[in-house]
Amino acid sequence: DTAVSQTPKYLVTQMGNDKSIKCEQNLGHDTMYWYKQDSKKFLKIMFSYNNKELIINETVPNRFSPKSPDKAHLNLHINSLELGDSAVYFCASSQQTGPYEQYFGPGTRLTVT
Amino acid sequence: GNSVTQMEGPVTLSEEAFLTINCTYTATGYPSLFWYVQYPGEGLQLLLKATKADDKGSNKGFEATYRKETTSFHLEKGSVQVSDSAVYFCALITASGGYNKLIFGAGTRLAVHP
Repeated sequence: DTAVSQTPKYLVTQMGNDKSIKCEQNLGHDTMYWYKQDSKKFLKIMFSYNNKELIINETVPNRFSPKSPDKAHLNLHINSLELGDSAVYFCASSQQTGPYEQYFGPGTRLTVT
Repeated sequence: GNSVTQMEGPVTLSEEAFLTINCTYTATGYPSLFWYVQYPGEGLQLLLKATKADDKGSNKGFEATYRKETTSFHLEKGSVQVSDSAVYFCALITASGGYNKLIFGAGTRLAVHP
């Protein structure tokens, strides 16, 4: 059984388009995250949600809008895609906020042409 | 601010060699420390963790000890295998950051040859 799943796994699109990435966790966790991994493998937090409430927005452009319809889902919508948005996006979840293990999804590789 | 510094890769070793990947951190308060591993084409998996000074995390033959005096959390394995080839990330989480985010090092790529 997949703990944290993301769709799609690959996303190729043109500049200016709007796209969404979906994330679901079946672990019963309260907290979910979005991370961005750039071409040099550097990972950085984008957003964190706890019980459907946004608790971290790490200076991400407002073209990125996360939405959490319930505790098990955290989707990422990106408007007006730019070349610099090309990266791998990882969703993660943890039991709650704190020094707990974060479980990562398989990632979505976004390529903007 | 809080940060993690890892040794640059790639690290290339022969099978059964000894592995050390250095990790040092800067943090306010008392962070919890983690090593995550990313195999090719996959997401990150927790390898091991330590939550207080002098704790030793261990898993799959890998070990790391939380050294507060040197602010380090170096990853070691006595005998690497080809299947250990991956990117390894050192990370921390702190209460001063609201425990809301992992802060990662830049990652170290390990390549093990037969």
